[in-house]
Amino acid sequence: IQLTQSPSSLSASVGDRVTITCRASQGISSYLAWYQQKPGKAPNLLIFAASTLQSGVPSRFSGSGSGTDFTLTISSLQPEDFATYYCQQLKGYPQTFGQGTKLEIK
Amino acid sequence: EMQLLESGGGLVQPGGSLRLSCAASGFTFTDYAMTWVRQAPGRGLEWVSDIRSDGSSTTYADSVGGRFTISRDNSKNTLYLQMDGLRAEDTAVYYCAKATYGSGSFYTLAYDYWGQGTLVTVSS
Repeated sequence: IQLTQSPSSLSASVGDRVTITCRASQGISSYLAWYQQKPGKAPNLLIFAASTLQSGVPSRFSGSGSGTDFTLTISSLQPEDFATYYCQQLKGYPQTFGQGTKLEIK
Repeated sequence: EMQLLESGGGLVQPGGSLRLSCAASGFTFTDYAMTWVRQAPGRGLEWVSDIRSDGSSTTYADSVGGRFTISRDNSKNTLYLQMDGLRAEDTAVYYCAKATYGSGSFYTLAYDYWGQGTLVTVSS
């Protein structure tokens, strides 16, 4: 199952609302997770089951979608949100990640 | 506090072997599936392998199947990745991570705790 994220990179400002899309090559129900990764650090789980916010993750992060189309939304960007974001499908093997979306400061 | 600590990375020649370890603490290791994910320099994340909580089932990416072996020692709270026949394209930071499940289910929904990673470099 291939995952395609868009855009691959994004420039935005503090306070902006940002949406990242992940499209699966076949239906994966809601078996999708979103991670944030900062340079030199391990990924950090944000969202699982497409829309469930991981404990401790700020509520400005939200996820939606099912089947083949999913979105990650950050409602009001904060300075610490500038990072790379990955989606991952866990419906079938091999588990796969999207190619990543790099979110940069405008 | 949940913690995962990888070790065993390093420089190895093509065709060589390494064994990675991931020491777990702060949670009931025997209750959770575990995975290895890698990241080549400047590249994205690639799922490598996973193993059920009791070690009864393992799965591999096509790129490592037949060369890598995942295992766990639940008495030592440790996950392993034996890597044989290493190739230049296996050069990456290798992360271990713990599965998280939905309520009442043992289906892996995501990986909620990750180690800091260990670098494997395959080069002559």
